[in-house]
Amino acid sequence: QKEVEQNSGPLSVPEGAIASLNCTYSDRGSQSFFWYRQYSGKSPELIMFIYSNGDKEDGRFTAQLNKASQYVSLLIRDSQPSDSATYLCAVLMNTGFQKLVFGTGTRLLVSP
Amino acid sequence: DVKVTQSSRYLVKRTGEKVFLECVQDMDHENMFWYRQDPGLGLRLIYFSYDVKMKEKGDIPEGYSVSREKKERFSLILESASTNQTSMYLCASSLAGDYGYTFGSGTRLTIV
Repeated sequence: QKEVEQNSGPLSVPEGAIASLNCTYSDRGSQSFFWYRQYSGKSPELIMFIYSNGDKEDGRFTAQLNKASQYVSLLIRDSQPSDSATYLCAVLMNTGFQKLVFGTGTRLLVSP
Repeated sequence: DVKVTQSSRYLVKRTGEKVFLECVQDMDHENMFWYRQDPGLGLRLIYFSYDVKMKEKGDIPEGYSVSREKKERFSLILESASTNQTSMYLCASSLAGDYGYTFGSGTRLTIV
């Protein structure tokens, strides 16, 4: 089992719709979770982080965390073509030196 | 904003050459990381450092070494470049894992 798993996509949504991106992780002791956005040919950019169970909202983005199910998601409301990118889920592992483990990312395509 | 600067955006080197990739961060971060990113494989950790002159192997250290003589600078060295080291190389830094990582703009390295 991979430490952090994401569906590679592509996830295609029309402009204005809600995009839902999902991620599962294996380390039950993990405490910190991050979402990065990566445009083609560019480096990852941190867009959201969440530490507690429940929802965290920032503008059009909502991160959701369910530690019991080892599941974290990112909702993008009113999706725009400029949201088209690969979204990387990252989990801070609780073993040894705490370092982020990244999923392979979900490619999101928002069509006008 | 934290700035992580990678010295080259694109680099072409020959097989067998010794290659140096430089990374500098300007926010006094303790932790620095080198990743490579390949299609379908995601981000893979090569080496990381949590203090000056300290280094730890990541998941794929073979064929690489690192140097951290000053807190702000973390160098990745390809001892004898090979074509399978053609990749996007990303440097990142963090104050602590809980705050996530800030990435540099990346170096697309081609070994011919």
